[in-house]
Amino acid sequence: QKEVEQNSGPLSVPEGAIASLNCTYSDRVSQSFFWYRQYSGKSPELIMSIYSNGDKEDGRFTAQLNKASQYVSLLIRDSQPSDSATYLCAVLNTGFQKLVFGTGTRLLVSP
Amino acid sequence: DAGVIQSPRHEVTEMGQEVTLRCKPISGHNSLFWYRQTMMRGLELLIYFNNNVPIDDSGMPEDRFSAKMPNASFSTLKIQPSEPRDSAVYFCASSFRTGGYETQYFGPGTRLLVL
Repeated sequence: QKEVEQNSGPLSVPEGAIASLNCTYSDRVSQSFFWYRQYSGKSPELIMSIYSNGDKEDGRFTAQLNKASQYVSLLIRDSQPSDSATYLCAVLNTGFQKLVFGTGTRLLVSP
Repeated sequence: DAGVIQSPRHEVTEMGQEVTLRCKPISGHNSLFWYRQTMMRGLELLIYFNNNVPIDDSGMPEDRFSAKMPNASFSTLKIQPSEPRDSAVYFCASSFRTGGYETQYFGPGTRLLVL
């Protein structure tokens, strides 16, 4: 089992819709979770972090964490074509203090 | 402020050649990370340094790979000899680590193609 798993997609949504991206992780003691966005040919950039169970909202983005189910998600409301990118889920490996990334979900937002 | 700087941005070389990738972290940052990204394996941490000291190199694939950080403003990742399976995008990232988790800032990457 991979430490961090994501559906590779692509996830296709129309402009204005809600995009839901999901991630599961295997390390039960993980405490810190992150979503990175990576445009094609560019480097990853951090868009959200979450540390506690529940929801965390930042503008059009909402991160959701359920530690019992070892599940973290990212919702993008009012999706825009400019949101088309690969979204990487990352989990902090507590023992080694290093990030473990999923392989990413490609999101396509059509006008 | 300048972000993380990497050079070269693109490298094409032949199997067996030595490849050296360079990174200048953001000024003031005390942690530096080398990642490799491929379609098959995604983004993998190769090695990271804290205060110029290698902390975890368990991701370094084999002895052909080596990394150094001689000072706070410069790091190199060397592959010798290079092989076609080393073809990937190599990212350097830096952060200011204070004990808790901190945001990593990625450089633009070096796209390596080994023929």
